[in-house]
Amino acid sequence: QKEVEQNSGPLSVPEGAIASLNCTYSDRGSQSFFWYRQYSGKSPELIMSIYSNGDKEDGRFTAQLNKASQYVSLLIRDSQPSDSATYLCAVNRPQGAQKLVFGQGTRLTINP
Amino acid sequence: DTAVSQTPKYLVTQMGNDKSIKCEQNLGHDTMYWYKQDSKKFLKIMFSYNNKELIINETVPNRFSPKSPDKAHLNLHINSLELGDSAVYFCASSPHGGGYGYTFGSGTRLTVV
Repeated sequence: QKEVEQNSGPLSVPEGAIASLNCTYSDRGSQSFFWYRQYSGKSPELIMSIYSNGDKEDGRFTAQLNKASQYVSLLIRDSQPSDSATYLCAVNRPQGAQKLVFGQGTRLTINP
Repeated sequence: DTAVSQTPKYLVTQMGNDKSIKCEQNLGHDTMYWYKQDSKKFLKIMFSYNNKELIINETVPNRFSPKSPDKAHLNLHINSLELGDSAVYFCASSPHGGGYGYTFGSGTRLTVV
């Protein structure tokens, strides 16, 4: 089982709709969770972090965390063509020297 | 004012050569990392340094040798390059371990021919 799993997509969403991206993780001791956006040919850019169960909103983005189900999601409201990118879920593995473990990413396309 | 800068951005080289990639951060972070991103976009950690001390060394061939002369710099030297080393290599930094997320450099696209 992979430590962090995402549906690789591609996920296609019409402009203006809600895009929903999901991620599961295997280590119950994980405490910090992140969503990165990566445009083609560019570096990953941190867009959301979440540390406790529930929802965290920032503009059009909402991160949701459910530690009991080991599940993290990212919702993008009013999707824009500029949101088309690969979205990477990352989980901080707390044992020993801390490191971020990434999922394989979900490629999102917003259709005008 | 670039936060994490890597050089070079592109590197094309022949099999068997030795090459280096340099990384510098001006964020005052204590921890720096090297990640490898393969053609399927999967990001995998290679090394991590905390204040010049190696703290993570994943199962990476020993042809790869990191060096951190000070906490703002982390370099990666690769000996005897192989075709399978072709990838994008990202440097990243964070304040304390990974608990606050990382800031990534722009990446070095290495192509071995």
